Amino acid sequence: GDSVTQMEGPVTLSEEAFLTINCTYTATGYPSLFWYVQYPGEGLQLLLKATKADDKGSNKGFEATYRKETTSFHLEKGSVQVSDSAVYFCALFPGSNYQLIWGAGTKLIIKP
Amino acid sequence: DARVTQTPRHKVTEMGQEVTMRCQPILGHNTVFWYRQTMMQGLELLAYFRNRAPLDDSGMPKDRFSAEMPDATLATLKIQPSEPRDSAVYFCASGLTDTQYFGPGTRLTVL
Repeated sequence: GDSVTQMEGPVTLSEEAFLTINCTYTATGYPSLFWYVQYPGEGLQLLLKATKADDKGSNKGFEATYRKETTSFHLEKGSVQVSDSAVYFCALFPGSNYQLIWGAGTKLIIKP
Repeated sequence: DARVTQTPRHKVTEMGQEVTMRCQPILGHNTVFWYRQTMMQGLELLAYFRNRAPLDDSGMPKDRFSAEMPDATLATLKIQPSEPRDSAVYFCASGLTDTQYFGPGTRLTVL
């Protein structure tokens, strides 16, 4: 079945460091891919999405490129801030039953 | 700025009591999801509706949980009787196509 695998956390970085959170997926067909972010005490928020191969989603300095050849959708940011500390979820929409398939989430801690 | 709303935001109750959580999806969204989040299990899908019809509730403990959509502007999740292991944050999300929009959650504590 369809699945999403994220790198385990927590990921701890210093402010202004480069961020990569790995996400790989298994799916039949051509799913849409998502990154959601959850700040402490809040619900999940859509961060970015991509709907087809080679598309790049971007928002708030974060980027992710839909790579069909490597079945990956890695999240990157060039210079992280303390305010980016949160849990990041990768997800895919296979399209068959309206559900999102979720990764386990990666906790990101940014130290000043 | 349309948002999913959930009430109550926090609920503390005693074991055996009935708990009802409510969700108002974004106007025009026709798919509504209920999730539960805990440290141990992570994010779990409990049930979801499309055009108010239940599509899948296989993630819910059937004997004590029930989910309904009395109308397009209200979804409810009920636990009766509640147990300490039900303590979690319960999220409602709504959507139209592939993207889901989450509410702020109801933090439930069962003593």
